[in-house]
Amino acid sequence: DIQMTQSPSTLSASVGDRVTITCRASQSITSWLAWFQQKPGKAPKLLIDKASNLESGVPSTFSGSASGTEFTLTISSLQPEDFATYYCQQYKSYPWTFGQGTKVEIK
Amino acid sequence: EVQLMQSGGEVKKPGESLRISCKGSGYTFATYWIGWVRQVPGKGLEWMGIIYPGDSFGRYSPSFQGQVTVSVDQSISTAYLHWSSLKASDTAMYYCARGARGRAGAGSFDSWGQGTLVTVSS
Repeated sequence: DIQMTQSPSTLSASVGDRVTITCRASQSITSWLAWFQQKPGKAPKLLIDKASNLESGVPSTFSGSASGTEFTLTISSLQPEDFATYYCQQYKSYPWTFGQGTKVEIK
Repeated sequence: EVQLMQSGGEVKKPGESLRISCKGSGYTFATYWIGWVRQVPGKGLEWMGIIYPGDSFGRYSPSFQGQVTVSVDQSISTAYLHWSSLKASDTAMYYCARGARGRAGAGSFDSWGQGTLVTVSS
């Protein structure tokens, strides 16, 4: 199985901060990576597909990038509604696997 | 509008069987993969398996292979997740989600159901 190592597990930040979350794959997944946002009591929401493709309706403050097996989700200016848990997921090969999640908390 | 509507929460005893459902609407159900994801309370997301409704081709995570069965009924645009014998450790929220279009399509889950909470307790 491909392991997805996500960091940090928790992040404390303020409104307006630039936030970066990293996900490292245990082997090459080319660009087959998605980022999800999950708020308490809600289903996950797809933010970014294929490492850097922003889903329709997702604010442009979100962006994704890739370098080899390291993937980054960046929120350029954290908004109050962005406080949530974020997950990466590889879909290069079965079984698809998620990272452990990063909880973005209010500082 | 794409929607995935899941069946309601369940409370079961260990050893009982259970089938939960996920009904798709607003798109051609047969041509998009449907996956299932588990979330134990307070924990992360776990990918369980995926099925292509057009031909019922499915794949499972080794962690869930033999523990659950994924199936579909194309005629009513509904996917199912089935347990033959529940354990207390199956207590979790279960989500269905729509995957890529086409048997050879590639893409992650772009629409999700609201989740079905399964509680297994004696």
